[in-house]
Amino acid sequence: KAGVTQTPRYLIKTRGQQVTLSCSPISGHRSVSWYQQTPGQGLQFLFEYFSETQRNKGNFPGRFSGRQFSNSRSEMNVSTLELGDSALYLCASSLRLAGGRTDTQYFGPGTRLTVL
Amino acid sequence: DAKTTQPPSMDCAEGRAANLPCNHSTISGNEYVYWYRQIHSQGPQYIIHGLKNNETNEMASLIITEDRKSSTLILPHATLRDTAVYYCIVRATGANSKLTFGKGITLSVRP
Repeated sequence: KAGVTQTPRYLIKTRGQQVTLSCSPISGHRSVSWYQQTPGQGLQFLFEYFSETQRNKGNFPGRFSGRQFSNSRSEMNVSTLELGDSALYLCASSLRLAGGRTDTQYFGPGTRLTVL
Repeated sequence: DAKTTQPPSMDCAEGRAANLPCNHSTISGNEYVYWYRQIHSQGPQYIIHGLKNNETNEMASLIITEDRKSSTLILPHATLRDTAVYYCIVRATGANSKLTFGKGITLSVRP
């Protein structure tokens, strides 16, 4: 079974621009979560989507947004990029179990975003 | 979710067992212990998880103490490719799906 795929793998933008990152979950997984990893803050949860609805959100400004499509693919968008948004953005997918619980999360390779 | 404490680093010789400790003294009854590892600049890789019984898979073994306040991840025959940051995470089984990563432990496998 194919793993989580993320595109693009590398991206360079300048301050003030916006960026859209894409994530395709493992087949059959309907929950997609996004994380940001920086040297200073480590791995931090951004948000989770299930059934095209945001179910959970981390402590990030509104410039960070996402969406999920009917085929469970997800995109995240960062508007008005700042230098501090340079990071590895990771997507993870999982099954949704009975009662709203989520199963083990499996991560993609990440998108390395550099903001100049 | 309960917090975890891991030493910052450890090393072991190639071919020997690597025993990675984790403390989670405030773990609740419905919280699982998960282990992930991250090789430089790659996405975290799921290794194993458990609730209270010891678990084993093709990658590793997870030993959880009877009081569940600590656990040990065992890589039975470490190779150079096992050099990575290993994260021990405690996660509830409720609807909140997020994983809370700490700093992890850097395992260096030496030839």
